[in-house]
Amino acid sequence: QLQLQESGPGLVKPSETLSLTCSVSGGSISGSTNDWEWVRQPPGKGLEWIGSIYYTGSTYYNASLRSRVTISVDTSKNQFSLRLTSVTAADTAVYYCARTHKTMIEVDGKGYNRFDPWGQGTLVTVSS
Amino acid sequence: SSDLTQDPAVSVALGQTVRITCQGDTLRGFYAAWYQQKPGQAPVLVFFGKDNRPSGIPDRFSASSSGDTASLTITGAQAEDEADYYCSVWESSGWRFVFGSGTKVTVL
Repeated sequence: QLQLQESGPGLVKPSETLSLTCSVSGGSISGSTNDWEWVRQPPGKGLEWIGSIYYTGSTYYNASLRSRVTISVDTSKNQFSLRLTSVTAADTAVYYCARTHKTMIEVDGKGYNRFDPWGQGTLVTVSS
Repeated sequence: SSDLTQDPAVSVALGQTVRITCQGDTLRGFYAAWYQQKPGQAPVLVFFGKDNRPSGIPDRFSASSSGDTASLTITGAQAEDEADYYCSVWESSGWRFVFGSGTKVTVL
């Protein structure tokens, strides 16, 4: 059973860089049918997609965060990572990693995908 | 801001049926995925695609889609179904994933 686990500092100072790692167990991060995602959730608010990475290193990011975000992958360690620079209090959130499956097409021509499974999440607080 | 619109909150009597909706133009070409999130826990996938319920999810959860609106229905709601529910979809025009704003379901 595939499991994901986030790790990293729980407290980051304003203007510094947030760095998190997601360790994948029970399966290979190099699977051709999967992408690997970062999602965050500010306290009391909804979910926000941060970005995705494929095992080859191909990435795509939320446009609102693109200038500050880097997602990387280390297939030898079965991990992928998130870096978010120049953080502010607005970046305080629970950060989740998750797997998505490549988009599938139903017989009616409509596509679908899903985030499954998710890591348990890690709270990162930005404060001096 | 979210491009998928959900009602902030709905309530349902124990054992009754509740429908949660998610509206957005992207849903005309993609099926939504639905997630249940209980306080202090990570989201859990409860339905995806046209007719896919993950293993372990009760069959009281179902979904449908029409035009720009996707719906998640809980038939015979149980106390343990009280949670926040989010829809999500891949928006190909913007090359991004989008989440709905979430619906808080209260079971009375």
